Amino acid sequence: DTGVSQDPRHKITKRGQNVTFRCDPISEHNRLYWYRQTLGQGPEFLTYFQNEAQLEKSRLLSDRFSAERPKGSFSTLEIQRTEQGDSAMYLCASSLSLPNNEQFFGPGTRLTVL
Amino acid sequence: DAKTTQPNSMESNEEEPVHLPCNHSTISGTDYIHWYRQLPSQGPEYVIHGLTSNVNNRMASLAIAEDRKSSTLILHRATLRDAAVYYCILRDQNTGNQFYFGTGTSLTVIP
Repeated sequence: DTGVSQDPRHKITKRGQNVTFRCDPISEHNRLYWYRQTLGQGPEFLTYFQNEAQLEKSRLLSDRFSAERPKGSFSTLEIQRTEQGDSAMYLCASSLSLPNNEQFFGPGTRLTVL
Repeated sequence: DAKTTQPNSMESNEEEPVHLPCNHSTISGTDYIHWYRQLPSQGPEYVIHGLTSNVNNRMASLAIAEDRKSSTLILHRATLRDAAVYYCILRDQNTGNQFYFGTGTSLTVIP
């Protein structure tokens, strides 16, 4: 296992289109997190899963955003009706469900909305 | 969301020690102090974490003030590969399942 992978690495889309990103966590990790990072800022938490259950969502996650982890393995993050303000790096991380578990981050998907 | 305060940027000469400060005056008794760093064009990576006692690992040392209102990440010999943004994060061990990153400290290592 080579770590957390994300696909695609880059996505350019036009405003109003829907986009979907995929994250494959480290195989034995039952927790999966999504973050968003804009230029010059630290990552902002969006949501996290324990196995297939989505346990927490940030208020940043508007109703245009939806995340799934149907079988408790890979996860998808979909953005509907994209806006220019959605342009950012979307990071996925995974971890074990232990106290103070280290989060392992993927390389991110850079979204540009034109 | 417990807040941390870090300098925006710091510089260090290569092969010299670097002390990266973090203030967290509102820390609670159940907050752990975590440090992550983000190299250019990569996702963040774990550096170290601690609660009360100083901690050492192969990457760095973490010195925690006695009142826990501040901490310092110590890189013993900076290399060019240590140039990154370093984030100091507080995480409640009982309820915190996500990290709240600030803007971090951008470390420049001068050859």
